[in-house]
Amino acid sequence: NAGVTQTPKFRVLKTGQSMTLLCAQDMNHEYMYWYRQDPGMGLRLIHYSVGEGTTAKGEVPDGYNVSRLKKQNFLLGLESAAPSQTSVYFCASRRISGELFFGEGSRLTVL
Amino acid sequence: SQQGEEDPQALSIQEGENATMNCSYKTSINNLQWYRQNSGRGLVHLILIRSNEREKHSGRLRVTLDTSKKSSSLLITASRAADTASYFCATDAAEYGNKLVFGAGTILRVKS
Repeated sequence: NAGVTQTPKFRVLKTGQSMTLLCAQDMNHEYMYWYRQDPGMGLRLIHYSVGEGTTAKGEVPDGYNVSRLKKQNFLLGLESAAPSQTSVYFCASRRISGELFFGEGSRLTVL
Repeated sequence: SQQGEEDPQALSIQEGENATMNCSYKTSINNLQWYRQNSGRGLVHLILIRSNEREKHSGRLRVTLDTSKKSSSLLITASRAADTASYFCATDAAEYGNKLVFGAGTILRVKS
């Protein structure tokens, strides 16, 4: 039982390049989330999904897009990366009782 | 803006001592949760306390909730070096829909 798996774990991009982060969960959770974590700022919600085929904006959605074509997968895309998107990205899925299960993070550097 | 704010920002104690971290929030909540994050790792859920509960225990962890003061505290008793981590509170509020809102965290260092 892997829980929440994020790929890739590390990535370096040049400004303007695009990329997709993949999150997969095997717990059959309906809700999934993408957060970014920056020093001293805790976690900020980028986008989230309450079920297959649904997505919604969080606190800091600009510059990101998401898709939830399958219940177990939640993809986060950067169409044109900017240095301000250098961060650690965390995906989480949510148990019906409320607890979040997190992946190990994806560390992105944009040069 | 962050719903939960932890206090202190950083805490350094000796092994065997107790560690107390506080969380204040702004709106009415459904529940409040505490998470731990070891350096370079994902967050791990520790404990959830519902708005109608006042205290909850899990092993060496004790969480209290005071909805009148909109605050919660996490107590770790008999701390160990392995407790060194960042601790975050997260609030689940009707106002925020299906989202948890995290505070900036408390960095705990336990010296052996």
